[in-house]
Amino acid sequence: QKEVEQNSGPLSVPEGAIASLNCTYSDRGSQSFFWYRQYSGKSPELIMSIYSNGDQEDGRFTAQLNKASQYVSLLIRDSQPSDSATYLCAVNKRGSNYKLTFGKGTLLTVNP
Amino acid sequence: KAGVTQTPRYLIKTRGQQVTLSCSPISGHRSVSWYQQTPGQGLQFLFEYFSETQRNKGNFPGRFSGRQFSNSRSEMNVSTLELGDSALYLCASSVGTGLQPQHFGDGTRLSIL
Repeated sequence: QKEVEQNSGPLSVPEGAIASLNCTYSDRGSQSFFWYRQYSGKSPELIMSIYSNGDQEDGRFTAQLNKASQYVSLLIRDSQPSDSATYLCAVNKRGSNYKLTFGKGTLLTVNP
Repeated sequence: KAGVTQTPRYLIKTRGQQVTLSCSPISGHRSVSWYQQTPGQGLQFLFEYFSETQRNKGNFPGRFSGRQFSNSRSEMNVSTLELGDSALYLCASSVGTGLQPQHFGDGTRLSIL
């Protein structure tokens, strides 16, 4: 079982729609969860952090965490073509708080 | 506030050579992590330094090494370069205590001929 799993996509949504990105993790003791956005040829950019069960909202972005199901998701409302990028889920591991384990990312394409 | 600065941005080397990459973290950040990113493997953790001490190390051969200086700047060294070392090398910094997120630099694109 991979430590952090994401559907590689591509996920294609029309402009204005809600994009839903999912991530599962294997270490039940994981404590912090992050979503990064990476444009082609660029470095990852932090867009959301979440530490406890429930929802965390920031503008058009909502991160959702369910520790019982070992599942974290990212919702992007009113998707824009500029949201087209690869979205990386990152999780810290129990006992290794300073090491992030990344999923391989989901490629999102927002069509005008 | 200045972000994470990595130098150089691009490097071309040949097999067998060695290379040193540099990373200056965000002011006030004491933790520096290094990652290798390739299309096939994604982002893989190399090592993390805090207050000049390596706290975590990934599963990479001993050819990959790093260090951190008292001003939190970090360097990464790769010796005896192999073709498979061609990758984007990313540095990320964080406060280093607790569960704060990491912030990435623009990376160094290393190509091995």
